[in-house]
Amino acid sequence: AQSVTQLGSHVSVSEGALVLLRCNYSSSVPPYLFWYVQYPNQGLQLLLKYTTGATLVKGINGFEAEFKKSETSFHLTKPSAHMSDAAEYFCAVSDPRSSGYALNFGKGTSLLVTP
Amino acid sequence: DAGITQSPRYKITETGRQVTLMCHQTWSHSYMFWYRQDLGHGLRLIYYSAAADITDKGEVPDGYVVSRSKTENFPLTLESATRSQTSVYFCASSASPGQGYEQYFGPGTRLTVT
Repeated sequence: AQSVTQLGSHVSVSEGALVLLRCNYSSSVPPYLFWYVQYPNQGLQLLLKYTTGATLVKGINGFEAEFKKSETSFHLTKPSAHMSDAAEYFCAVSDPRSSGYALNFGKGTSLLVTP
Repeated sequence: DAGITQSPRYKITETGRQVTLMCHQTWSHSYMFWYRQDLGHGLRLIYYSAAADITDKGEVPDGYVVSRSKTENFPLTLESATRSQTSVYFCASSASPGQGYEQYFGPGTRLTVT
């Protein structure tokens, strides 16, 4: 089965600084990869996804991620953090062999943005 | 309104009681999913459905029952609630996850079992 590891359960950055949230996955087949964001007391919202094609994927709110097959990584970045980026971020992988292509989530990274 | 909705948003129940959480989507997506979110565990799959009348277990199905008589609805029933089922439950839907289509999530139901 697929597994997803998010390094760092809490990440703190200053407003205007680079955001880097790390995600590594284990897979023996090319997966579909996703980043979701969750604001307090809300559901999950898709930030971006990788399925096939270009390995650098751009998403909403200025976020992007790069699929690196050799490193089995899909790290999320944003050049300049805003206060509104403070939220919980989840990396997820969809395994074609798993239950209905259900998402296998990492445990999440809480992003704190300080003034 | 278009989208995916869950009801109730908050529920407190007692141990041993039956509870049903509702999920409704307006996109006619084939696939629907139930996840639970617990601190330190992220989201874990309870059940999923590939189409009406087709359901299957996920990672943590014990104590839960699902049905899907209509494409747009996917209720989740806790037959006899236990304290370990205190959690936030999310429903999601997808048009074609096998082709990389994303899942859309509802706002969640926060369930407390006392």
